[in-house]
Amino acid sequence: EIVMTQSPATLSVSPGERATLFCRTSQSVRGNLAWYQQRPGQAPRLLIYDASTRASGIPTRFSGSGSGTEFTLTISSLQSEDFAVFYCQHYNSWPPTWTFGQGTKVEI
Amino acid sequence: QVHLVQSGPEVKKPGASVKVSCKVSGFTFTNFGISWLRQAPGQGLEWMGWISAYDGNTNFAQKFQGRVTLTTDTSTTTAYMEMRTLRSDDTAVYYCASLSAGGDFDYWGQGTLVTVSS
Repeated sequence: EIVMTQSPATLSVSPGERATLFCRTSQSVRGNLAWYQQRPGQAPRLLIYDASTRASGIPTRFSGSGSGTEFTLTISSLQSEDFAVFYCQHYNSWPPTWTFGQGTKVEI
Repeated sequence: QVHLVQSGPEVKKPGASVKVSCKVSGFTFTNFGISWLRQAPGQGLEWMGWISAYDGNTNFAQKFQGRVTLTTDTSTTTAYMEMRTLRSDDTAVYYCASLSAGGDFDYWGQGTLVTVSS
């Protein structure tokens, strides 16, 4: 089973600053990695899939990179609505299983 | 416009069962799969299981195997998650999510809070 490790657990930043979040997998997942944002009291929202492709309607300040076992989500200039918890996720096609990291909380 | 609308909150006693529904609209139901996930209070996301709305094929995370049943009703484009023998640590928000062609969760239900308490 693939283990997903996110760091840091909490990231304290100011509006307008850049935030960089990391996700490491216990074995290579090639580019099969997604990122989600979850605001308090809301369902998660897909931000990035295939490691670097923004989902529909996602602002360009969100970008993803990486392959293999090391991945990064970058928020170029934090807006007030970006403060949330972010999760990375891997999908294994067969048998279909999904694994999440434990999350990174981005706070002011 | 894709919508996944889940049933309302539930309060159950330990040992009971719960069945949560997820009404899907805005896309061809049988073209995609539906996954169920949960989030305990203050915790992260946990994938529970997947069902193909096309042929009813399922797969589960090991910890839920045998205790969770996933079904779909194509006539009403609704997916269901039933969990048996509830325990207090099953208290969580349960989500349904639709799968993109790439296997990511592109649309989510609003979540259903299931509280297990004596």
